[in-house]
Amino acid sequence: TQLLEQSPQFLSIQEGENLTVYCNSSSVFSSLQWYRQEPGEGPVLLVTVVTGGEVKKLKRLTFQFGDARKDSSLHITAAQPGDTGLYLCAGWPLLSNYKLTFGKGTLLTVNP
Amino acid sequence: KAGVTQTPRYLIKTRGQQVTLSCSPISGHRSVSWYQQTPGQGLQFLFEYFSETQRNKGNFPGRFSGRQFSNSRSEMNVSTLELGDSALYLCASGVGSGENIQYFGAGTRLSVL
Repeated sequence: TQLLEQSPQFLSIQEGENLTVYCNSSSVFSSLQWYRQEPGEGPVLLVTVVTGGEVKKLKRLTFQFGDARKDSSLHITAAQPGDTGLYLCAGWPLLSNYKLTFGKGTLLTVNP
Repeated sequence: KAGVTQTPRYLIKTRGQQVTLSCSPISGHRSVSWYQQTPGQGLQFLFEYFSETQRNKGNFPGRFSGRQFSNSRSEMNVSTLELGDSALYLCASGVGSGENIQYFGAGTRLSVL
């Protein structure tokens, strides 16, 4: 059973379109993180959300943490080819004994 | 400041062999965590080391082991390799133990034939 469910698994869009990636769980997380991973590289941290209901913006990327701290979303406005990559959500479950748990990822392709 | 360095980048082994992977954390970081990434399972936590002590372990068989040295460098060993061990092995370093920002290396791609 996957503790963090990400959807969609694959997403192929045209440059300029908007998109949202979802990360859901039945467990409460003390914080959630979003990473982007490019081929041949390790994941790079984009943002950490800590407070329920928190919204963080990073240029064209908007991250939201659910009020109950069980889910998060990543919204990209006017996607560009440079946004292409594997987007991973990860979190520290409240009772995890410090095991960082990852979703399986959303593979985003932005076509020019 | 140099990032997390993993060696080797690529490795090909045959079933039954053993392998050792190396990870050098960012200078000043004392924790190193290891993850296995496969297309089917995604990233899964293997173990975490802090100050030469294993602090946490994931749900992997005993064939997977690791250690950390006094300079915070870490090694991961997999014995009696199986085809299913083919994966990208990532290590991440952090300043402290437990819940803190993880900085990932580029990984070691292990192929078991």
